[in-house]
Amino acid sequence: AQSVTQLGSHVSVSEGALVLLRCNYSSSVPPYLFWYVQYPNQGLQLLLKYTSAATLVKGINGFEAEFKKSETSFHLTKPSAHMSDAAEYFCAVTGGYQKVTFGTGTKLQVIP
Amino acid sequence: GAGVSQSPSNKVTEKGKDVELRCDPISGHTALYWYRQSLGQGLEFLIYFQGNSAPDKSGLPSDRFSAERTGGSVSTLTIQRTQQEDSAVYLCASSLVWHEQYFGPGTRLTVT
Repeated sequence: AQSVTQLGSHVSVSEGALVLLRCNYSSSVPPYLFWYVQYPNQGLQLLLKYTSAATLVKGINGFEAEFKKSETSFHLTKPSAHMSDAAEYFCAVTGGYQKVTFGTGTKLQVIP
Repeated sequence: GAGVSQSPSNKVTEKGKDVELRCDPISGHTALYWYRQSLGQGLEFLIYFQGNSAPDKSGLPSDRFSAERTGGSVSTLTIQRTQQEDSAVYLCASSLVWHEQYFGPGTRLTVT
């Protein structure tokens, strides 16, 4: 069984400030973890993924995430928010099978 | 190259009618997934295909939902006797490597 919890359905940051979106997971087997971004009226785009290699994963658009097994976390960060980062972000987990379980999403608002 | 496409982009139907949603995956992608995204919810897994067969149908909400894939390519999700609770965005994704899913823009279904 697997699940993912995203803390905060809405997050607001000022332009240029640190972005931190939280994700905690539960998995009965070693997990693979993902962050996706969804812009309005579009499908999901893969930002980054953890597949048991390096624990610090770098993705597109300056985002990165760190896998912390002891904390069962996979938080998404970006040092400096841009207006174009405003979107909804989804954390997802799989135990190595095709079925991927998604979180409920966090909407990021960037304030000028 | 072309991404995943879905049609129609929007569908409004009356309660009790049947609807068909179409997904055209990226050429050569062997796996295809259907998800449902309801307002304020994460993505709900419905079904996945490997080639033309569906090893995992566990997410289909009821027997009113069915899906097929032909020629290892196009897939159709059919909802019979639609209900208002079926209103959602239906997302399709395809993949060649199982942990890299590419999403289409979705079909927004509204049941009145």
